[in-house]
Formats: sequence, C-alpha cells, structure tokens
Amino acid sequence: GNSVTQMEGPVTLSEEAFLTINCTYTATGYPSLFWYVQYPGEGLQLLLKATKADDKGSNKGFEATYRKETTSFHLEKGSVQVSDSAVYFCALRAYSGAGSYQLTFGKGTKLSVIP
Amino acid sequence: NAGVTQTPKFRVLKTGQSMTLLCAQDMNHEYMYWYRQDPGMGLRLIHYSVGEGTTAKGEVPDGYNVSRLKKQNFLLGLESAAPSQTSVYFCASRQGTDTQYFGPGTRLTVL
Repeated sequence: GNSVTQMEGPVTLSEEAFLTINCTYTATGYPSLFWYVQYPGEGLQLLLKATKADDKGSNKGFEATYRKETTSFHLEKGSVQVSDSAVYFCALRAYSGAGSYQLTFGKGTKLSVIP
Repeated sequence: NAGVTQTPKFRVLKTGQSMTLLCAQDMNHEYMYWYRQDPGMGLRLIHYSVGEGTTAKGEVPDGYNVSRLKKQNFLLGLESAAPSQTSVYFCASRQGTDTQYFGPGTRLTVL
C-alpha cells in the first residue's frame, strides 16, 4: 500500500535558521505530493504541491522538489520566522480504485521557531 | 464563500452516547472526506464520498457511519461512543483532481 514517512519532531529552530523536514514515500504508480501546514487550533491548509517528477512546489518561501529516484519530497525554507511555528504534514495522493483518489498522510512534524 | 464548515467545534460525550458531526461545503465539490487526527498518528481516513448518495469506507471505519443525502453535506455518526473515539475530526472536500480543502475540525472527548 501507499505510505509516507517524515522526520519525527519536534523541531526547534531559532529565527532565520534554515529548515529541512525530510519526507519519503512508497506508492504504486505516479502519485502527486503535497505539504500541508496546520497552525494551532486550525485545520490543514495546503502549503505546496508537485504533481510529477522533478517538479518544484513553492509557497511563502517554502520549497520542495519531487524526486522520483529517491522517492522523496523534502520541505525546505532558507530563513524561518516565528510565524512558521506549526505542524507540517507530508502527503501523497494516488488512485485508490472505484474512481477515487485518496490522500495518505505522514504523522506530522511539529516546528517551533524561537525569537 | 465559507469553504468547509464543521459543527460543532467541541463536544464531550459519555461512553455509549450517540452524536452526529455535520460537515458542509459551499464549493459544489463532488468528493467529501472524514478524517480523525490523533497524536503521533497523522490523519487517518474514516469514510469518504464520491458524490451525493454514495459513501465508502476508509482506513478506520469501525464505529462510525456516514450519510451524504445532499451534495453539500456529509454527516459522520457515532452510534455508541467509546473512549477510543476521543480525537479531533476533520472534514475535507475536493473537486476533480484539485487539492482537498479542510474544515477547522471538531474536538470530541468521550469519557
């Protein structure tokens, strides 16, 4: 079956530090890959996505590149801010049969950025 | 547009009680989903619907029922709540191959 593995947290960084959150996946076929962000007390919001190999998704200074050869989709940001403190989820979307595409999520990585 | 809304935001139940969580979306989306989020587990799919009048089981369907009588609404029912169903429940909707849009969540505690 499909699965997503992301680095366990929590991750604590100082403001302006470089961020990497690792994500690898197992899937049949050619999944689309996503990063979602969940701020405290809120639902999940799409942060960025990539739909095919070598695509780079980017948003709000975050980037991730779809690497088929290493089955990875690592999230990076060059300079984090306190407002980036949240839980980050890596996810893949693949065809699950009966006309449905389903998301499979990683367990989430909590990021805390301190001033 | 309100997007995806969930009712209620919080609820406390006693073991054996029943309740229904309501999800509503105003984006005319075909697909709707119910997830539960537990610490260290990420999100797990409970049930989903590919259109009005249809439902299907996800990864963790036991103890839950769903109905999609209207396209904009997706109801999640707990007939006899158990402490293991203490969780945060999220609804989501999607159209075509677009991304899923999530509601704000319902925090349920079963004593």
